[in-house]
Amino acid sequence: KQEVTQIPAALSVPEGENLVLNCSFTDSAIYNLQWFRQDPGKGLTSLLLIQSSQREQTSGRLNASLDKSSGRSTLYIAASQPGDSATYLCAVRPGLTGGGNKLTFGTGTQLKVEL
Amino acid sequence: DVKVTQSSRYLVKRTGEKVFLECVQDMDHENMFWYRQDPGLGLRLIYFSYDVKMKEKGDIPEGYSVSREKKERFSLILESASTNQTSMYLCASSQRGQLTDTQYFGPGTRLTVL
Repeated sequence: KQEVTQIPAALSVPEGENLVLNCSFTDSAIYNLQWFRQDPGKGLTSLLLIQSSQREQTSGRLNASLDKSSGRSTLYIAASQPGDSATYLCAVRPGLTGGGNKLTFGTGTQLKVEL
Repeated sequence: DVKVTQSSRYLVKRTGEKVFLECVQDMDHENMFWYRQDPGLGLRLIYFSYDVKMKEKGDIPEGYSVSREKKERFSLILESASTNQTSMYLCASSQRGQLTDTQYFGPGTRLTVL
């Protein structure tokens, strides 16, 4: 059974700092991996999706990398801002199966960017 | 923009009550999902549906049922609510056949069972 782990569970950094969030998964037979953001009491918003054949994806100040063989992904946030404060979750989609795109989520990293 | 709405943001119910959580999406998505989110456990899939009247169990279906009578609407039913079902419930939808497509989430319903 796929397990997804995110370390650390919580992180506090000063504004302007570059930071890396980590995600690891036990079964490397994934189709893709996504990073989501969740603001307190809200739903999830997709940030980046990396296909299993890709090594990284970039969107603005965010860069996500994927090393499928070692079961790891990182989310790099450049020049962090207080508005980046949120919980970040990664989720993996298994290889091609029927029944829709089921995802397995990590428990998230709660990020606080301080002024 | 895709919009996924959930009927209530906050709900308080008594043990033993029947509870309905409604989810509606406006993008004609085939797939719809119900998750619960608990501290330290992350999001866990309860049920999903990939077509009208179709449903499949997720990882934690016990104590729940679902209904999908129309494509845009997916309901989660707690037949007899219990205190261990106090949680945040999140609904999501996605297009079928789009392997690169993401799931779009609603704002969540925080359910408290007393």
